[in-house]
Amino acid sequence: AQKVTQAQTEISVVEKEDVTLDCVYETRDTTYYLFWYKQPPSGELVFLIRRNSFDEQNEISGRYSWNFQKSTSSFNFTITASQVVDSAVYFCALRGLNTDKLIFGTGTRLQVFP
Amino acid sequence: NAGVTQTPKFRVLKTGQSMTLLCAQDMNHEYMYWYRQDPGMGLRLIHYSVGEGTTAKGEVPDGYNVSRLKKQNFLLGLESAAPSQTSVYFCASRPASGTGGTEAFFGQGTRLTVV
Repeated sequence: AQKVTQAQTEISVVEKEDVTLDCVYETRDTTYYLFWYKQPPSGELVFLIRRNSFDEQNEISGRYSWNFQKSTSSFNFTITASQVVDSAVYFCALRGLNTDKLIFGTGTRLQVFP
Repeated sequence: NAGVTQTPKFRVLKTGQSMTLLCAQDMNHEYMYWYRQDPGMGLRLIHYSVGEGTTAKGEVPDGYNVSRLKKQNFLLGLESAAPSQTSVYFCASRPASGTGGTEAFFGQGTRLTVV
């Protein structure tokens, strides 16, 4: 069975603070794919990043970085120097190689105040 | 590019009415998904399809039916709507697994209210 847990329901920060969104997953597949999506107040789902299970390199894209640790089954997302435009709901998702299902966590609502 | 298009964007139904939500993608994707989004519940998978003519149940399939008669279209049906089906519905598509762990592309969502 697959499961994605985002324990943080809501996080509030002040602009320019760093913030980390946690994602813990469960899967029996040895090969799997992890994703992060952003849902701004306008409602659409925006793809942010994909990570394959056999690639544990962390990734940085501008103010965004992702820390993938197979040992703890975690794929955490950090925003450095947060901005008001980062306010959104962020979803972590998982798909195993041997399953066609794409499973999402319950999301973390991030509010960045000026 | 249109990408993934959902029709309609908003709908209000009375309890017991039926309706069909249409999802159309123009990217020649094999896989298509229907999700519902409810407060505090995230995105829950209703049904999905791995190709034309195929459908499979997701996490919360009860009360819904789907069809994939054409590769580009994935229909979600509610035969007898209930207030518990009030939600925002998202459709998504992605290429086949042979191209790697590719991400899914989402439609803009359909807000359905059942009164």
